[in-house]
Amino acid sequence: QQQVKQSPQSLIVQKGGISIINCAYENTAFDYFPWYQQFPGKGPALLIAIRPDVSEKKEGRFTISFNKSAKQFSLHIMDSQPGDSATYFCAATYGQNFVFGPGTRLSVLP
Amino acid sequence: DTGVSQDPRHKITKRGQNVTFRCDPISEHNRLYWYRQTLGQGPEFLTYFQNEAQLEKSRLLSDRFSAERPKGSFSTLEIQRTEQGDSAMYLCASSGRDSLAKNIQYFGAGTRLSVL
Repeated sequence: QQQVKQSPQSLIVQKGGISIINCAYENTAFDYFPWYQQFPGKGPALLIAIRPDVSEKKEGRFTISFNKSAKQFSLHIMDSQPGDSATYFCAATYGQNFVFGPGTRLSVLP
Repeated sequence: DTGVSQDPRHKITKRGQNVTFRCDPISEHNRLYWYRQTLGQGPEFLTYFQNEAQLEKSRLLSDRFSAERPKGSFSTLEIQRTEQGDSAMYLCASSGRDSLAKNIQYFGAGTRLSVL
């Protein structure tokens, strides 16, 4: 119940394309859903986050879509750029409990 | 730069040796977390401090692992009698006090441990 599933494991997108990463959870106690971006040799950095009372949140080229009934949420990266090439982790939290997905390695081809 | 500092960045040690890592969180943050990350995986929770109190420990944290945060500021993570399976990136994160800030964890760059 503490697991967060994430897919795909890796993703290759052409520059200018849309990158979509999907996550699913089981525990309905989770009340905050952040996405982290990690570059090689660096720690994860918060990208964007959403609460379950909102179905969509957009910040620049990054959008989270949230489906509470399906217990699923996704990250959309519009107009993907080579600089977006990184590993993306979804997470689900309640209180001090943070559970991360296994990550998606995104490569954006120039 | 997130403001969370970890030292050292890399540590190579022989099996059986003890190692200690340090984390300096963002100064106003009262919550501090340790995670372990292996290649191709997301961070796995190890332990959590609120101020100087260690409030939660994962089952991943065997008795060879100990963490402290003596004055509620910096924290140390010690691994005794290291094993090759301990090789991983050890990440520290901190978060703030209020109900919104506590959900936002800021990570350091990590300490990469290699046990030979």
